[in-house]
Amino acid sequence: AQSVTQLDSQVPVFEEAPVELRCNYSSSVSVYLFWYVQYPNQGLQLLLKYLSGSTLVKGINGFEAEFNKSQTSFHLRKPSVHISDTAEYFCAVSENQAGTALIFGKGTTLSVSS
Amino acid sequence: GAVVSQHPSRVICKSGTSVKIECRSLDFQATTMFWYRQFPKQSLMLMATSNEGSKATYEQGVEKDKFLINHASLTLSTLTVTSAHPEDSSFYICSARESTSGRYEQYFGPGTRLTVT
Repeated sequence: AQSVTQLDSQVPVFEEAPVELRCNYSSSVSVYLFWYVQYPNQGLQLLLKYLSGSTLVKGINGFEAEFNKSQTSFHLRKPSVHISDTAEYFCAVSENQAGTALIFGKGTTLSVSS
Repeated sequence: GAVVSQHPSRVICKSGTSVKIECRSLDFQATTMFWYRQFPKQSLMLMATSNEGSKATYEQGVEKDKFLINHASLTLSTLTVTSAHPEDSSFYICSARESTSGRYEQYFGPGTRLTVT
């Protein structure tokens, strides 16, 4: 069975600092990995996804993530955060591109302060 | 881009009544829609998978008689919470899987906050 672990429930950072949100997964089959962002009282917005190919994936809003198969990780990074990046971030895994339902991690709250 | 809407965005109802939540794919066809439930400060938990024209598949522990799902068309799925109780208060989010382009991407609705008093 698949599972996703987001190691940090809350990450406070100052504006313009770099940030890394950690995500580890477990799966016995090939996986497809996703990061979503949820702003307060809103639905989820796809930040980026890894399906195949280059292990470094670039997404929207300056975020990127690196798929590391040996460490079963898919950590999300941004070199310089803004106040507007304050949100909940979810890592998710799927067994196939065709879109079985996603399995989500518990989420990481990113709080950016000035 | 593909847009998924949910209606209503917020609903307050009395205990014992039923509430219907609509999920619509506005500019694409969705043969499959998913319904998730999210408790405060927690992750999304899949409730059921809805395929157009067939019965929904419910996850273990989800009462299918309480959470009625109907996927009557390629652009509309509804979730009806029957005989709602305060413990059903939650944030309900749907997603729709776009299938016509072959990319099978999922797009999420903005969610519906249900409060049962």
